[in-house]
Amino acid sequence: EVQLVESGGGLVKPGGSLRLSCAASGFTFNNADMSWIRQAPGKGLEWISSISTGGTHTYYADSVKGRFTISRDNARNSLDLQMNSLRVEDTGVYYCADIATPPIDYWGQGTLVTVSS
Amino acid sequence: DIQMTQSPSSLSASVGDTVTVTCRASQSISHYLNWYQQKSGEAPKLLIYAASSLQSGVPSRFTGSGFGTDFTLTISGLESEDFATYYCQQSSTTPSLTFGGGTKVDIK
Repeated sequence: EVQLVESGGGLVKPGGSLRLSCAASGFTFNNADMSWIRQAPGKGLEWISSISTGGTHTYYADSVKGRFTISRDNARNSLDLQMNSLRVEDTGVYYCADIATPPIDYWGQGTLVTVSS
Repeated sequence: DIQMTQSPSSLSASVGDTVTVTCRASQSISHYLNWYQQKSGEAPKLLIYAASSLQSGVPSRFTGSGFGTDFTLTISGLESEDFATYYCQQSSTTPSLTFGGGTKVDIK
C-alpha cells in the first residue's frame, strides 16, 4: 500500500521558519519526481515545488522562490520542505505528492501550517 | 509560466444533470491536461489524465476532451457523490505544474 505521511506543520510567527517532512512507502520512491502542493483555507490548489528523482533538479513557484527549499533523501525515502521567511499568506494545508507522471496519483493526508502573530 | 483558467468557478446542479467544466491554458499544452476531484477535507483524486484518459476505477460518466489550449470535463448523469470541487492541472512542463482555480459543483 502506498503511503505518504507529512509531518512538521504547526503555528509559526511571520518571518519564522518551519521544516516539513514526508515519509514515503509502498512505491519506488527514488523513481518518482516528488512535489509539494498547498491549499490555503477555502482556496484552490497551488503547486509550490518539485524535485527530480535524484534531487539534482528543483523547481519552485514564484510565490515561494528564494524562501522555500525542497530536498529529498532517497536512502530514507523522505522528502522535505524547508520554509523560511514565512508570511501570513503561506498558511494552508501542505500536501506531499507523486503526481508528476499520471496516471500515478499519490497524495499524503496533508499537514497544516499556520502563520500568524 | 503557463496559466490555467477554469470556468465557471461554481455551479449548481441536480442529480441526473449533465455538467460541463471548461479549462483554458494560456499557451498550448498539447494533451497534457489532467482533471482532479476534491471533496471537503480530503486530498485530491485524479479523474482524467492526458486530456481524455480515464483513471482506473473512475466511473465512465466522467469524460474529458480537448487539445492545445481548450479542454472540457463532462459529468454525464450527476450522482450525489459527485458534488465536489474540480481542478484542471497542466503537466506539459512537468515536474513544474499549474492548477486551475477550481470549479465547485453543489446541489441545486
